[in-house]
Amino acid sequence: DIQMTQSPSSLSASVGDRVTITCRASQGISSWLVWYQQKPEKAPKSLIYAASTLQSGVPSRFSGSGSGTDFSLTISSLQPEDFATYYCQQYNSYPRTFGQGTKLEIK
Amino acid sequence: QVQLVQSGAEVKKPGASVKVSCKASGYIFTSYYMHWVRQAPGQGLEWMGVINPSGGSTSYAQKFQGRVTMTRDTSTSTVYMELSSLRSEDTAVYYCVRGSYDSSGREYFQHWGQGTLVTVSS
Repeated sequence: DIQMTQSPSSLSASVGDRVTITCRASQGISSWLVWYQQKPEKAPKSLIYAASTLQSGVPSRFSGSGSGTDFSLTISSLQPEDFATYYCQQYNSYPRTFGQGTKLEIK
Repeated sequence: QVQLVQSGAEVKKPGASVKVSCKASGYIFTSYYMHWVRQAPGQGLEWMGVINPSGGSTSYAQKFQGRVTMTRDTSTSTVYMELSSLRSEDTAVYYCVRGSYDSSGREYFQHWGQGTLVTVSS
């Protein structure tokens, strides 16, 4: 199974900050990576797929990059509604596997 | 628009089984695989398996082999996930998830049901 490791596990930031979350795969997954945002008591929402393609309707302050084993999600200017938990997930192979999550909190 | 509507919360005793349904609408049911993902309280996301609604073939995560069964009813555009021999560690929210295809034809998760809380308690 491919292990996905996110860092950091939690992050405190302020509105307007630029933040970056990283995700590392235990083996190469090309660009087959999705980033999700999850708010409490809600289902995850896909933000970015194919490592860097913005899902329709997602604000352009979200961006993704990387390929192979190292990936990142950047939020260019945090908004109040961005405080949530973020997950990466590989879709290179089965079983599909997720990172452990990064909780983004208000400083 | 794609909608996945899941059945309501369940409370089960250890050793029992639970069957969760997911009714799909807004697209051709047999054209997209359906996955199941679960999330224990305060924990991360865990993929359980996938069913091809067209032919009914399935693939399960090793962890759930022998305990999970995914089926579908094409007449009602509904998929089901049954988990048996329940234990307290199975307490979680269970999501059905429909994929979409990227430009390379690879399937990623885009559409999620609202989730079904299954509580296992004596």
